Amino acid sequence: TQLLEQSPQFLSIQEGENLTVYCNSSSVFSSLQWYRQEPGEGPVLLVTVVTGGEVKKLKRLTFQFGDARKDSSLHITAAQPGDTGLYLCAVPLPPGGFKTIFGAGTRLFVKA
Amino acid sequence: GAGVSQSPSNKVTEKGKDVELRCDPISGHTALYWYRQSLGQGLEFLIYFQGNSAPDKSGLPSDRFSAERTGGSVSTLTIQRTQQEDSAVYLCASSPSGTISYEQYFGPGTRLTVT
Repeated sequence: TQLLEQSPQFLSIQEGENLTVYCNSSSVFSSLQWYRQEPGEGPVLLVTVVTGGEVKKLKRLTFQFGDARKDSSLHITAAQPGDTGLYLCAVPLPPGGFKTIFGAGTRLFVKA
Repeated sequence: GAGVSQSPSNKVTEKGKDVELRCDPISGHTALYWYRQSLGQGLEFLIYFQGNSAPDKSGLPSDRFSAERTGGSVSTLTIQRTQQEDSAVYLCASSPSGTISYEQYFGPGTRLTVT
């Protein structure tokens, strides 16, 4: 069983549509991160959320950390082909938080 | 500024051979991580370094895998007697120590293919 469950695993949508992807766990975390990875490249950090209920916006992307700090969602408004990629959530594990666990990711494909 | 670099970008090796993968972190970053990513999958934690020491080696898949870091900078991941199941992209990341969010900056990875 994965510590972080991401859903859906794969999503193919048309340009201009909205979408939400999820990252769920039964464990409580001090913080959670979202990364985006494009083919042939390493993941790039999008956001870090640390407070239960926190909402952060990054242009057309809205990130929410669950009140209980067990889950998170990423909502994309009016998706564009440039949003195509693998979206990964990640959490630091105690003690120290240096060991980071990643979910398996949601692979998003936005068609023009 | 310069990001994390990895070499080689691609490596094809025969089963049973040893390989060395190199990572140059961002200057001044004291934490360094190695991950493995199989085709289409998420990242599997292998090992991290704080300075030159590796407090957590629990992610190394077997004793054929080892890693070292010298001078608090460059790191090398060595895989001995490679097997076909070792084929994957090996990613390195570095992080400035002390940041509460432990943000990691990734290199482009080394794609290892064992034939």
